[in-house]
Amino acid sequence: DTEVTQTPKHLVMGMTNKKSLKCEQHMGHRAMYWYKQKAKKPPELMFVYSYEKLSINESVPSRFSPECPNSSLLNLHLHALQPEDSALYLCASSQQDYNEQFFGPGTRLTVL
Amino acid sequence: KQEVTQIPAALSVPEGENLVLNCSFTDSAIYNLQWFRQDPGKGLTSLLLIQSSQREQTSGRLNASLDKSSGRSTLYIAASQPGDSATYLCAVCYGNNRLAFGKGNQVVVIP
Repeated sequence: DTEVTQTPKHLVMGMTNKKSLKCEQHMGHRAMYWYKQKAKKPPELMFVYSYEKLSINESVPSRFSPECPNSSLLNLHLHALQPEDSALYLCASSQQDYNEQFFGPGTRLTVL
Repeated sequence: KQEVTQIPAALSVPEGENLVLNCSFTDSAIYNLQWFRQDPGKGLTSLLLIQSSQREQTSGRLNASLDKSSGRSTLYIAASQPGDSATYLCAVCYGNNRLAFGKGNQVVVIP
């Protein structure tokens, strides 16, 4: 298995909702990443987990809460989002730090 | 801070022509450089990874070179096809496991 999967593919939520994005990989990778991508822009790093520990938080607002329950799974919990948070959320993984990153297909999030 | 530039932002080429995409970066202290392809609304597909100690990498019709001292990488796509139409992103891995992305080259291959 050489892919990163993300669910759901699309998500529409109101500003008062709580939802979660899920990312999974079965390549034995020990680093996992969340990125946010707006239209016509490159991805922006949000969080990095290395060996299931949060190693980087790029000053992301607390309404985004990451979680790494095990080495294969990465979640992003969403609460009280704003319309400007609407974007494509991408998950990636790499064997270890500084290795080639493999991306999932993304979750298209719309906040109403 | 590492800055990555990809010029031009968009280009069109006739089918069969070779594609040459350029990427420049400001700080030569990098771990590796990765080229990605992105189709509209989709995730990123890794094309090639070049370690900082390497000069080039090849995969099928794709060849990427790296000149760390001058802060440049070039992606060559031989005999372009309409299916090569996509946005190509260059990303440099530098300190603290971060990737610095360029803004991408949007490529259209005209049949």
